[in-house]
Amino acid sequence: DAKTTQPPSMDCAEGRAANLPCNHSTISGNEYVYWYRQIHSQGPQYIIHGLKNNETNEMASLIITEDRKSSTLILPHATLRDTAVYYCIVEDVAGKLIFGQGTTLQVKP
Amino acid sequence: DTAVSQTPKYLVTQMGNDKSIKCEQNLGHDTMYWYKQDSKKFLKIMFSYNNKELIINETVPNRFSPKSPDKAHLNLHINSLELGDSAVYFCASSRRSYNEQFFGPGTRLTVL
Repeated sequence: DAKTTQPPSMDCAEGRAANLPCNHSTISGNEYVYWYRQIHSQGPQYIIHGLKNNETNEMASLIITEDRKSSTLILPHATLRDTAVYYCIVEDVAGKLIFGQGTTLQVKP
Repeated sequence: DTAVSQTPKYLVTQMGNDKSIKCEQNLGHDTMYWYKQDSKKFLKIMFSYNNKELIINETVPNRFSPKSPDKAHLNLHINSLELGDSAVYFCASSRRSYNEQFFGPGTRLTVL
């Protein structure tokens, strides 16, 4: 079972920041948080990952709370092409990625 | 250049047939995976190979047999296909023990 909880869906206006929340209250100290997304009919795409510190790359920023029980993925300027299912994943003890239901983000013009 | 490629993209076949899906990665990665995404869109790992060695083998019917001829290829052979095998199958690869995985475009398998 997935170790994360995400809202099933969210809307965001084009050009605005999309903030996608994730709860992972049972995360262990050495487990990373990964974010992937799946655009319709395509293979999942890696976005970003982090352990304790906030992370930023060319796609997004990842904010992890100090107690590590939740995180937020931020897409700073959402475009229509960012419409996708976003998965927040904590790897399991065997190092596997267990995909949950994710959040369907709809970016609207 | 395609990083992770799969063939075929679509596969339609009759129940009871045997079929194979091929996967190749040109990223120089050591680890490759097979995932199944069913009609409800749940994505589940099936197998993982590291340097041609099986390291993850989830509860998958033994009709499914992965084969890795070299570390750039991981093929999936399915015997005696059943209706419930209909799904999209994704191949992925990563550097060893690193979960930034690169996924292929998927193979949509339809069993009639």
